[in-house]
Parts: sequence; structure tokens; C-alpha cells
Amino acid sequence: GENVEQHPSTLSVQEGDSAVIKCTYSDSASNYFPWYKQELGKRPQLIIDIRSNVGEKKDQRIAVTLNKTAKHFSLHITETQPEDSAVYFCAASKPSGGSYIPTFGRGTSLIVHP
Amino acid sequence: SAVISQKPSRDICQRGTSLTIQCQVDSQVTMMFWYRQQPGQSLTLIATANQGSEATYESGFVIDKFPISRPNLTFSTLTVSNMSPEDSSIYLCSAASIGDSLFYEQYFGPGTRLTVT
Repeated sequence: GENVEQHPSTLSVQEGDSAVIKCTYSDSASNYFPWYKQELGKRPQLIIDIRSNVGEKKDQRIAVTLNKTAKHFSLHITETQPEDSAVYFCAASKPSGGSYIPTFGRGTSLIVHP
Repeated sequence: SAVISQKPSRDICQRGTSLTIQCQVDSQVTMMFWYRQQPGQSLTLIATANQGSEATYESGFVIDKFPISRPNLTFSTLTVSNMSPEDSSIYLCSAASIGDSLFYEQYFGPGTRLTVT
């Protein structure tokens, strides 16, 4: 089955700095890679996703890059703000036969210091 | 996006009893899932709830312990049976449907915080 590794487990930055979270996956058939943000006590929320036929996707201060050859993808947050503090989860999945089972990384706790 | 609600939001239960968690989605969705999340941990998939048929369980989870129902495309229940303190966790309902990207977009309910004493 799919195995997703996520690093770092904790990331501490100053407000205004950039933050990068990296994930690797094992199954070359995986073709969809969402990222979720989970604030303390809240549900995970989809913040950005990327398909395997795209190398990069941006949405304001958030971008995701994908390297299919190396089987890794990354989340980039620029100009971080205290409200970006949360746990971020990456996931990899391969829709197959009408089903969809994502495999989640272990999460990265991002702390943005004001 | 789908809006998902869960009931109850939290409960404290005695060991040996059972609790049924309800999940309601505001639109018809293709897939529904149940996850468990320990504080500070990742999301562990318990099972995929299949409409009109038995749920598909992940390794380490069995139907006798976690019976699941999904009578229609917008509703599912998870029962935690014969509870022990080790079952204390947050249980999250999730739903996925094909989004604008033509891939499945997955959304989560607010979770049910279960404490077993």
C-alpha cells in the first residue's frame, strides 16, 4: 500500500518568514495530493490540492509543488502570519475503480511567532 | 464543498457500554469515511462506509467493534461497542465527491470527542 512520509514534524518560524513542509510517497500510481490544515480543536480543512499532471499550483500565499519522478511534494507558505499556526497534513491518493482512499502523512505542527 | 455535521460533539461513557455517532452531509456524496484521531496524532482510517452494503474496514478494525451503517447517500453512523478507555479519542466523519478538479475532494465533520472512563 501507499506510504506517506511528512517532514518536519514541528516547524517554528517568525511572522513574515516562509514555511516549507515536505512529503514523499511510495506508490507511483498516486495521482492526487491534497493538503489539510487543522487548527486546535477544529476539523481538518482542505486548503490546496494538486494533480499529478501539474507541477505547481498557487493560491495567494500558499503554493504546492510536485515532483513525480522523485515522488515528493511540498507545501510552501509565504509571508506567514500567526493565524497560519496549525497542524498541516499532506495526503496521497489514487482514485481507482470508482473508489478513493487517501493516505495521510503524520502531520506538521507549524508555529508562527508574532 | 460539502457541509458535514456530527452528533454528539462529545460524550463521556462508561466502559462496557456502546455509543453511536451520527454523521449528516448536506448533499449527496460518493464516499463516506470514519477516522480516529488521537490528540496530536494523524488521521487513522477506520472504515469506508458503503451505501446499502457492509463497510470496508482497515487493518486492525473489525465490524463487531465498530459497526457502521450508511442507509443513504447523505447519512452514516459509527458505533463504538463495548468501550474501553483505549477507545477514548476523536472520531471524525468524512465525505468525498468529485470536485471541480475532477478528482475526489474530501471534507471532514467537526469530530466527536469520546472519553471512556
